[in-house]
Amino acid sequence: ETGVTQTPRHLVMGMTNKKSLKCEQHLGHNAMYWYKQSAKKPLELMFVYSLEERVENNSVPSRFSPECPNSSHLFLHLHTLQPEDSALYLCASSQDRTAKDTQYFGPGTRLTVL
Amino acid sequence: SQQGEEDPQALSIQEGENATMNCSYKTSINNLQWYRQNSGRGLVHLILIRSNEREKHSGRLRVTLDTSKKSSSLLITASRAADTASYFCATGNKAAGNKLTFGGGTRVLVKP
Repeated sequence: ETGVTQTPRHLVMGMTNKKSLKCEQHLGHNAMYWYKQSAKKPLELMFVYSLEERVENNSVPSRFSPECPNSSHLFLHLHTLQPEDSALYLCASSQDRTAKDTQYFGPGTRLTVL
Repeated sequence: SQQGEEDPQALSIQEGENATMNCSYKTSINNLQWYRQNSGRGLVHLILIRSNEREKHSGRLRVTLDTSKKSSSLLITASRAADTASYFCATGNKAAGNKLTFGGGTRVLVKP
């Protein structure tokens, strides 16, 4: 266990559905991240939050909407997704938002968009 | 090609053998990290090497860094079937806003 949990672990949704992914970290970290991992592609950074403030949005389509209500919780709200959005979505946290910090990853949510 | 590329993309070895994989990058870095990912799971941090370090050990892992060649290697000695996983390098540099940039990974299969 890395101290980062994600729910649900698996999600199947239609293109018209609205769903949310949840991430919780129990490490007292200040930074949290959403990554997308697609088959045969490098890990893609989607969003970065530092002290509950969004500090990075890597040109992610608006159908993905992050929310960070406090430093321990991070959500990714999904609506009107496309089949190409099917991927493993990984949440991570680190002590601070610097590259020298180790990132701790959750187990991921395997998303399938029909 | 992109920052942090691993080579080879896939590696198959017998249990007990050593596994070596390499990572090349393009820009200057502050540090380089190696992570491991079991199939369909999250990444687990293995080791971090700073730009002023040349070699680092952790158990059966040995990491080297050659900043003049912009490359790093990860050696797993006396491999076990449980070492079967994908291994990623991640580079951290100020030019990228201090964020980590991950490579595409090396898939390692250790056959019993």
